[in-house]
Amino acid sequence: ILNVEQSPQSLHVQEGDSTNFTCSFPSSNFYALHWYRWETAKSPEALFVMTLNGDEKKKGRISATLNTKEGYSYLYIKGSQPEDSATYLCAPENPDSSYKLIFGSGTRLLVRP
Amino acid sequence: DAGVTQSPTHLIKTRGQHVTLRCSPISGHKSVSWYQQVLGQGPQFIFQYYEKEERGRGNFPDRFSARQFPNYSSELNVNALLLGDSALYLCASSSETWSGNTIYFGEGSWLTVV
Repeated sequence: ILNVEQSPQSLHVQEGDSTNFTCSFPSSNFYALHWYRWETAKSPEALFVMTLNGDEKKKGRISATLNTKEGYSYLYIKGSQPEDSATYLCAPENPDSSYKLIFGSGTRLLVRP
Repeated sequence: DAGVTQSPTHLIKTRGQHVTLRCSPISGHKSVSWYQQVLGQGPQFIFQYYEKEERGRGNFPDRFSARQFPNYSSELNVNALLLGDSALYLCASSSETWSGNTIYFGEGSWLTVV
């Protein structure tokens, strides 16, 4: 069973601040890692799927890095905006036949104007 | 293009009753998965179906069952509802089942058991 930890649990920042969160997962038997942004009353939005050690992906002001050898991924938001307020979830894939996602509890980000 | 659609969006049931939740995947997607999310936790995997066959099952009791239809839509059924089944039920679809494929979620069905 994969144990996925995300930190911090919640984060309050001012508009314009840059921020980052961490996702930790067992490094053995890694397949892929998914990042999602989840705003209240909406569906989780797929941000990135990362598969290779050293992967770096970027989408606008959001970027992510992956270290499969030590079992962590960082998500960075540059110049946070109020619309970035959401819960950010990471989910490594459980390497059995169903490729199910094992979610962390998420980091809740609130960006104050 | 329509995303993953789920129905109903909200429902209230009484303990012991049965519930059916429905999901339509993105057009062309053959894989559907179901997740349960309770407050304060990340979504927990319940089932995955691909080409109408069950590919995986999470740690949920036999009261939970699902199926996938020829048009790739899916139903999640829960029998003998318990208060603890109150949660958001998310459906997700993807075009294939291999690792690294993007998985898209619907907005979910909020189930309250009273």
